[in-house]
Amino acid sequence: GQQVMQIPQYQHVQEGEDFTTYCNSSTTLSNIQWYKQRPGGHPVFLIQLVKSGEVKKQKRLTFQFGEAKKNSSLHITATQTTDVGTYFCAELRTTSGTYKYIFGTGTRLKVLA
Amino acid sequence: DVKVTQSSRYLVKRTGEKVFLECVQDMDHENMFWYRQDPGLGLRLIYFSYDVKMKEKGDIPEGYSVSREKKERFSLILESASTNQTSMYLCASGGNTIYFGEGSWLTVV
Repeated sequence: GQQVMQIPQYQHVQEGEDFTTYCNSSTTLSNIQWYKQRPGGHPVFLIQLVKSGEVKKQKRLTFQFGEAKKNSSLHITATQTTDVGTYFCAELRTTSGTYKYIFGTGTRLKVLA
Repeated sequence: DVKVTQSSRYLVKRTGEKVFLECVQDMDHENMFWYRQDPGLGLRLIYFSYDVKMKEKGDIPEGYSVSREKKERFSLILESASTNQTSMYLCASGGNTIYFGEGSWLTVV
């Protein structure tokens, strides 16, 4: 398949600790999107990065796109129980007007109160 | 709000049965997708469609087919269900970002 690899697969942290998930590709990514799936829910779009070295923040979440556009990271500062869920990265590939999303394997985060 | 509705939340089917999973979106999106989600494997693309009656295979199309007769509706068909198709199936639609349905949990016994 053409999946993008994510590490770690699982992570348990104490509430208040930081958390980072990494997304790696063997080929250059045209863009990277991040999604969050709460337990029992469906993935919901968080953000998109397009430029090499781009960094974006959403409150306690920091998203980064690597300089070579082959990797990306999502960092959560001072986790809260509401951060529990699975985080996916995804690449949007457009070819002749068609849209195809390739998702990473996901990182499941558990936050212990 | 974008709404992607999957017809069944939980299904139990027997091996060899034909299974239909229906998905409807209300945002006039041209692109629709079917994924399956399995632990440790993430979201894997089964089929996608970029227009009515147009479809393309994703990464794991074997054992599945799809139908897109109307723009708002995209159906996933398991011609002869097998136990290794037990999974969570997610429909999505969109363009520069995609919106997912609630998911359909299929168990094949």
